[in-house]
Amino acid sequence: AQTVTQSQPEMSVQEAETVTLSCTYDTSENNYYLFWYKQPPSRQMILVIRQEAYKQQNATENRFSVNFQKAAKSFSLKISDSQLGDTAMYFCAFMNSAAAGGSEKLVFGKGTKLTVNP
Amino acid sequence: DTGVSQDPRHKITKRGQNVTFRCDPISEHNRLYWYRQTLGQGPEFLTYFQNEAQLEKSRLLSDRFSAERPKGSFSTLEIQRTEQGDSAMYLCASSLPRGRGAVDEQFFGPGTRLTVL
Repeated sequence: AQTVTQSQPEMSVQEAETVTLSCTYDTSENNYYLFWYKQPPSRQMILVIRQEAYKQQNATENRFSVNFQKAAKSFSLKISDSQLGDTAMYFCAFMNSAAAGGSEKLVFGKGTKLTVNP
Repeated sequence: DTGVSQDPRHKITKRGQNVTFRCDPISEHNRLYWYRQTLGQGPEFLTYFQNEAQLEKSRLLSDRFSAERPKGSFSTLEIQRTEQGDSAMYLCASSLPRGRGAVDEQFFGPGTRLTVL
């Protein structure tokens, strides 16, 4: 079974600084997807960024980028120019790809609580 | 379309009572998922529907839990004889048919917070 590990329960960063959240995962599959989801306090979960395992190029979405190391099974999230609105729980998640024919469920890590300080 | 909606947002019940939650997915999303999130944890998968067919159930879904999606649109999750350990946030998510969306993105609802006294 796939597992996702987030080793940083809490992190904090100053506004406008850069922060990196760590995620490692375990799978025997070669094709899969990885996601970072953001869950603000008392608000619903939204997708921040996604990465297909077959793509070597790291995904970027504005201030958010990932460092995907397939061999190391590592998928970290970098947030540049941190803003107060980035304060939230961040969850790393894994999903088998359609090609792999596996389950379509998301497997989540326990999350990292990020606080952006003014 | 305003996204995935869930009702109620909060439910307080006494141990032993039955509760039912509803999820309305984004229109055109034929896949619907239920997850459970306890305090300090990430969401855990419960079950998944493609149209009206329930294709996968987690071992977390005990006999007291049942989910339906009778017409392939909204879904209900019922918990019978609730226990204090059932207290959690129940999240619903939906997604487009596989291959049509961007990398199988799941869109989440606001959740139903269940408290069992």
